Amino acid sequence: SQQGEEDPQALSIQEGENATMNCSYKTSINNLQWYRQNSGRGLVHLILIRSNEREKHSGRLRVTLDTSKKSSSLLITASRAADTASYFCATPIRQGGSEKLVFGKGTKLTVNP
Amino acid sequence: KAGVTQTPRYLIKTRGQQVTLSCSPISGHRSVSWYQQTPGQGLQFLFEYFSETQRNKGNFPGRFSGRQFSNSRSEMNVSTLELGDSALYLCASSLKIGVSGANVLTFGAGSRLTVL
Repeated sequence: SQQGEEDPQALSIQEGENATMNCSYKTSINNLQWYRQNSGRGLVHLILIRSNEREKHSGRLRVTLDTSKKSSSLLITASRAADTASYFCATPIRQGGSEKLVFGKGTKLTVNP
Repeated sequence: KAGVTQTPRYLIKTRGQQVTLSCSPISGHRSVSWYQQTPGQGLQFLFEYFSETQRNKGNFPGRFSGRQFSNSRSEMNVSTLELGDSALYLCASSLKIGVSGANVLTFGAGSRLTVL
């Protein structure tokens, strides 16, 4: 079963606009990560936010985490055509004494020039 | 430094055949994870290897197997291929230190498998 679920599934905006993607998860976590995937390629790590953090910034990215609501959001400001990609949240799940990262199904972002 | 390298990038097989995919992690990374990505199911965790030991396994049939070598390179094998095995297979490595550290993955470009 999916741990994280992104919303919306798809988002289309104009260059220069802001894009907001949301992620909800089910179990307690110690961190949450966001990754980006260009079409048919591997995923690239964008940012990690720990459970004791509420907000984190990296360049044009802003991530928030609300552990009481089990949700996170990724905001991309002043979007560019090059931001067109799928964005995934990932949360760690303890299993068998180890840990695996579980990904949501992603938000497909299209930024129109 | 070199990233995660997956080979082959593309391959076509027929039902019933078997396939082996290879992954070379970033130098110094000892953990290698494999994921299957399909449009319908998204990213599904296959397994994770650390120091040649499988530490974690997803909900896949026994046809899916893997191993890791002493140099941390990993292979995964799928036997008796089915049409539904068509997917992008992604390998990721990480510098994982214990279970308390955050597990940030560096992915390869993937191996695109088509089963006819």
